[in-house]
Amino acid sequence: DTAVSQTPKYLVTQMGNDKSIKCEQNLGHDTMYWYKQDSKKFLKIMFSYNNKELIINETVPNRFSPKSPDKAHLNLHINSLELGDSAVYFCASSPRDIRNTEAFFGQGTRLTVV
Amino acid sequence: AQSVTQLDSHVSVSEGTPVLLRCNYSSSYSPSLFWYVQHPNKGLQLLLKYTSAATLVKGINGFEAEFKKSETSFHLTKPSAHMSDAAEYFCVVSEPPGSGNTGKLIFGQGTTLQVKP
Repeated sequence: DTAVSQTPKYLVTQMGNDKSIKCEQNLGHDTMYWYKQDSKKFLKIMFSYNNKELIINETVPNRFSPKSPDKAHLNLHINSLELGDSAVYFCASSPRDIRNTEAFFGQGTRLTVV
Repeated sequence: AQSVTQLDSHVSVSEGTPVLLRCNYSSSYSPSLFWYVQHPNKGLQLLLKYTSAATLVKGINGFEAEFKKSETSFHLTKPSAHMSDAAEYFCVVSEPPGSGNTGKLIFGQGTTLQVKP
């Protein structure tokens, strides 16, 4: 069974559209994250949620809105897509204190805005 | 603030020769450090982690890393490279949770490992 699963794996869309990426984890973790990997492969955190509560918001534009209906799901909705949003988006989960454990990552969603 | 610097953006080795991927960290706390690997078009997989126990950490697939506080380093090594090791490697430091915070992982820029036959 896949521990952290994201859908879709690939997403190609036009500028100005609104799109969503879904993420689910079956590990029983309290904390979920969204990371963005740019074209140079640099990974940076966007958001973290703990038990459905937003904890970290790393100065991401308001067009990005995460939603956590329950602690096993963290979806990412993006409004008015721009060319610069093209990237690979990774969902991850971990127990609350990440220092002594690992984060488990999904396979990533490659978003291409044309 | 925590940060990591991977000293080489690209490393090329021949199959069967040793691998060394270098990482230096900066941390105001006693750090937790990780190495993750990303194979082409795949997600991230944990190779190994240091969390203030033994300074020499063994991971999967024959990789290991040594935490050296005096040098603020956490270099990744493997005695003999295999073709399947070709991938992107990330050195990562965790920022501990603060009040109401979960903590987060801070990634280095990545090192591309090429393995030649």
